[in-house]
Amino acid sequence: GAGVSQTPSNKVTEKGKYVELRCDPISGHTALYWYRQSLGQGPEFLIYFQGTGAADDSGLPNDRFFAVRPEGSVSTLKIQRTERGDSAVYLCASSRDTSNTGELFFGEGSRLTVL
Amino acid sequence: GQSLEQPSEVTAVEGAIVQINCTYQTSGFYGLSWYQQHDGGAPTFLSYNALDGLEETGRFSSFLSRSDSYGYLLLQELQMKDSASYFCALPGDAGNMLTFGGGTRLMVKP
Repeated sequence: GAGVSQTPSNKVTEKGKYVELRCDPISGHTALYWYRQSLGQGPEFLIYFQGTGAADDSGLPNDRFFAVRPEGSVSTLKIQRTERGDSAVYLCASSRDTSNTGELFFGEGSRLTVL
Repeated sequence: GQSLEQPSEVTAVEGAIVQINCTYQTSGFYGLSWYQQHDGGAPTFLSYNALDGLEETGRFSSFLSRSDSYGYLLLQELQMKDSASYFCALPGDAGNMLTFGGGTRLMVKP
């Protein structure tokens, strides 16, 4: 596609439920990043993939969070046993590779609300 | 680790010039990026400075001083559509993995 696509755009769930958020990066982009953004704050890094492997997952807050990218394209962020504090906008971004250009292409995010 | 500081809010009048400052701390410096984000929208890339000096792109310019660990974004001929949040960001050792500042909310008034 032309840009980074994220689904769903909005997700409301109940505390304790399991959630999956999907990201489809720009075609040909080998690097994929997940960020989390709370209201009025900057994006906070969660995990990044180079190809199929997670190159850095140091931003994942705890073991309830997990992400995969099995074929090096689409990625899924998985959150188990959701908590109210997980409510945020989850942003996905991609870049052609990992060279330092400072430029990421972001999707519009998935807004997660945990009741 | 890396950290960035920027003012939380700036207000300016349509047609004016505004400067959004960013100071940073990092163990290894590669460059400083700027992003714009409208409410409910995706962050979009504006500029990247790897070397000292001013980079101009249309109405927007970005400046970097590595010795002062400081940069700024300059917006000229402000338009109402420039009302948005602006973030400075640092790439880390791992390529384009960015650390973002808390953002500056710019309000442009008529």
